[in-house]
Amino acid sequence: DAKTTQPTSMDCAEGRAANLPCNHSTISGNEYVYWYRQIHSQGPQYIIHGLKNNETNEMASLIITEDRKSSTLILPHATLRDTAVYYCIVRVAVRGGSEKLVFGKGTKLTVNP
Amino acid sequence: DVKVTQSSRYLVKRTGEKVFLECVQDMDHENMFWYRQDPGLGLRLIYFSYDVKMKEKGDIPEGYSVSREKKERFSLILESASTNQTSMYLCASRVSMTNVLTFGAGSRLTVL
Repeated sequence: DAKTTQPTSMDCAEGRAANLPCNHSTISGNEYVYWYRQIHSQGPQYIIHGLKNNETNEMASLIITEDRKSSTLILPHATLRDTAVYYCIVRVAVRGGSEKLVFGKGTKLTVNP
Repeated sequence: DVKVTQSSRYLVKRTGEKVFLECVQDMDHENMFWYRQDPGLGLRLIYFSYDVKMKEKGDIPEGYSVSREKKERFSLILESASTNQTSMYLCASRVSMTNVLTFGAGSRLTVL
């Protein structure tokens, strides 16, 4: 799997957009970018994933650069409840049943009032 | 709307005790996982199961075993608990052929 690099921590003001970067310069053509987050004392929560095109859902937007070497998760209007550790994971699409995701250290996002 | 349920949120056990951590999912998912999470080490995969009665070792299986007798239930067993197994344990499930996991709330185990 391609290695990912994320900042250790970031701050964001409540109501502003939070832009969380992720570098994955060794990503291969069949690897997807997944984002999860983990709010304190809870299990991780899936947010979004993409291959090449930008993606948007009710939680966030995912912007992937044209060369796919980096991506940005955007929370358009951050709230205090978005304070969490955000994980960027690169993984091939699952072919069988036994592949597994590996979670790194992630980015600790703090949303300030 | 709870989809992955872990039986105990907090447990305190003694060294040498046998410990069962239960996980039940109601989404008819084929694959289930057990992770542990420790400060500074992130999530580490202990075991996973891609179908009933199937299991595979993850990255840190030593000291653990698992059981998957029914599709919806995946149990983690500590045969003889030790203090270095004090941790947060997280269960997850997913539909086969996807990488979208649904996690439980976690079970915080303290071994004295």
